[in-house]
Amino acid sequence: QKEVEQNSGPLSVPEGAIASLNCTYSDRVSQSFFWYRQYSGKSPELIMSIYSNGDKEDGRFTAQLNKASQYVSLLIRDSQPSDSATYLCAVNGGDKLIFGTGTRLQVFP
Amino acid sequence: DAGVIQSPRHEVTEMGQEVTLRCKPISGHNSLFWYRQTMMRGLELLIYFNNNVPIDDSGMPEDRFSAKMPNASFSTLKIQPSEPRDSAVYFCASTPGLAVETQYFGPGTRLLVL
Repeated sequence: QKEVEQNSGPLSVPEGAIASLNCTYSDRVSQSFFWYRQYSGKSPELIMSIYSNGDKEDGRFTAQLNKASQYVSLLIRDSQPSDSATYLCAVNGGDKLIFGTGTRLQVFP
Repeated sequence: DAGVIQSPRHEVTEMGQEVTLRCKPISGHNSLFWYRQTMMRGLELLIYFNNNVPIDDSGMPEDRFSAKMPNASFSTLKIQPSEPRDSAVYFCASTPGLAVETQYFGPGTRLLVL
């Protein structure tokens, strides 16, 4: 059974801090990794994708991938209350995406 | 351009009734997915279609669930008979090509089975 594991949280950080969200996966051959953000009562929306080891930056977001450790993370710099949401990690498991259960992030003023 | 459209947005029904959820993918997208989301199990893939053909239905919980995609612009997920444990949010998503590309989600259908 291919799995994607995330800490459910909540992860609470003060406004302006760095939020670090982590995800581990079980399938060593996975090649595509995604972070989705889901606001309460809304649908998931893609915020980052990463395919190679290392870091990928997009604005305040940085995705980090370490295939040897089967680990992918998302850093949010200068966290804002509007970043409060559930963040879903998704990994390709063969021909489909496997989603983690998500980490709830709370950014307080 | 319109995103993925789902209907109804909310459905309340009684145990034993038939429930039909509908989805219109983004125009030009070749792959369509049905997911179920609950607090306990997160986002689970039920079935996905590519070019209107079911490719993987291994996530369909049991025979009470069925899905069809009669054409490129319409899909249905049917539960018959419904049970309280089917209560969840059901999302439809589509991608331009392969299943592992960026998926665009619809707003979801919140189903409550009493």
